[in-house]
Amino acid sequence: EVHLVDSGGGLVQPGEYMTISCAVSGFFVTTNHMAWVRQAPGKGLEWVAVMNPGGNTFYADSVQGRFFVSRDNSKNKVDLLMKRLRAEDTAVYYCTKFSSNTFMDYFDYWGQGTLVTVSS
Amino acid sequence: EIVMTQSPVTLSGRPGERATLSCGASQSISSNLAWYQQKPGQAPRLLIYGASTRATGIPARFSGSGSGTEFTLTISTLQSEDFAVYYCQQYNNWPLTFGGGTKVEIK
Repeated sequence: EVHLVDSGGGLVQPGEYMTISCAVSGFFVTTNHMAWVRQAPGKGLEWVAVMNPGGNTFYADSVQGRFFVSRDNSKNKVDLLMKRLRAEDTAVYYCTKFSSNTFMDYFDYWGQGTLVTVSS
Repeated sequence: EIVMTQSPVTLSGRPGERATLSCGASQSISSNLAWYQQKPGQAPRLLIYGASTRATGIPARFSGSGSGTEFTLTISTLQSEDFAVYYCQQYNNWPLTFGGGTKVEIK
């Protein structure tokens, strides 16, 4: 059975950094396309970052150069390192899995989300 | 970037009624459209992909239609558990984009 468990959110000051994690079971992150999608309070969904099995990553313009996706194959998890955080990065961050081995696809499984609050 | 526009923003309905939600794309996306349901405090759940194929475990009262730029999600008979926010997402062009959502509330 597929499970994604998001963790590591909390309160962080503007300009600081935070790492959130997604622990996966039921499939391997090394053979699947993964993504982070965020949702600001009361707002809609926005994709943030994606990683393919080859380790290639792509980022939304709003986070390019500040956010970085990495993978721990031995622990079967994906991390999102967020640097130089801004108030507008405040959101629930969801780890999600692409349905097939392409970025041009929909998301079939989602983590429960972790809230990141950027505030002084 | 393809802009996805959902209407109405809020739909008020009663249990047992039919609900029709719309999603429009700023350019053709063929049938590369998914619908998600999100309840308060929960992650989105995949309902429909390929514009009309129900995901595993999704009840038959949910149906999707459309292609090109105009899409519809229909809930044939609203159940109490269907009151939620619904999002469409296109995956025909990069970057992937979502609509702003339609909230289905109890009338």
